[in-house]
Amino acid sequence: QQQVKQSPQSLIVQKGGISIINCAYENTAFDYFPWYQQFPGKGPALLIAIRPDVSEKKEGRFTISFNKSAKQFSLHIMDSQPGDSATYFCAASIRETSGSRLTFGEGTQLTVNP
Amino acid sequence: ETGVTQSPTHLIKTRGQQVTLRCSSQSGHNTVSWYQQALGQGPQFIFQYYREEENGRGNFPPRFSGLQFPNYSSELNVNALELDDSALYLCASSPRLAGDQYFGPGTRLTVT
Repeated sequence: QQQVKQSPQSLIVQKGGISIINCAYENTAFDYFPWYQQFPGKGPALLIAIRPDVSEKKEGRFTISFNKSAKQFSLHIMDSQPGDSATYFCAASIRETSGSRLTFGEGTQLTVNP
Repeated sequence: ETGVTQSPTHLIKTRGQQVTLRCSSQSGHNTVSWYQQALGQGPQFIFQYYREEENGRGNFPPRFSGLQFPNYSSELNVNALELDDSALYLCASSPRLAGDQYFGPGTRLTVT
């Protein structure tokens, strides 16, 4: 059962534009939602994370928007740069009972054209 | 501060063989998790170790086993390798059981 669904599968954005990646989850017990960035041949790197008691979190050019009632959350990358070209994964966990165990989405391959 | 390291970087094995992958956690981290990432997919949770004890397991058969040592480093062992075991195996460490996970570069396993 796919508990975290991610879209789009791929995304092409022009330099300076806004990249938006969406995720939807099914399990209402999830209480922690991180986003990871992965470059080819590398492990995923933690970008930003949010808890469900907050509707938005911003760190630099990266913002997470969270909609608890819709069971959806999204990553916005402002002023996208060619160096942002990578695969992005949303994830979710139930920290209270499952520790750090993460359930990942399928990934979005982002290409930022110069 | 040294991050998560994994060895080897690449590995080629034959179907039916056994393999051991190694992970050194980030300094001060006592929790290690292992993930399998097939090509073009998100990582899938295999299991997690906390203070040398298994603390949660994903939907993987018993031929996937692990260990965590007193220095919090860890091993992933896979017996009776199958072609579908070909993947990137990722290790992640956390400063505590419910902490943020930081991933290593992974071990690329190819089973022929």
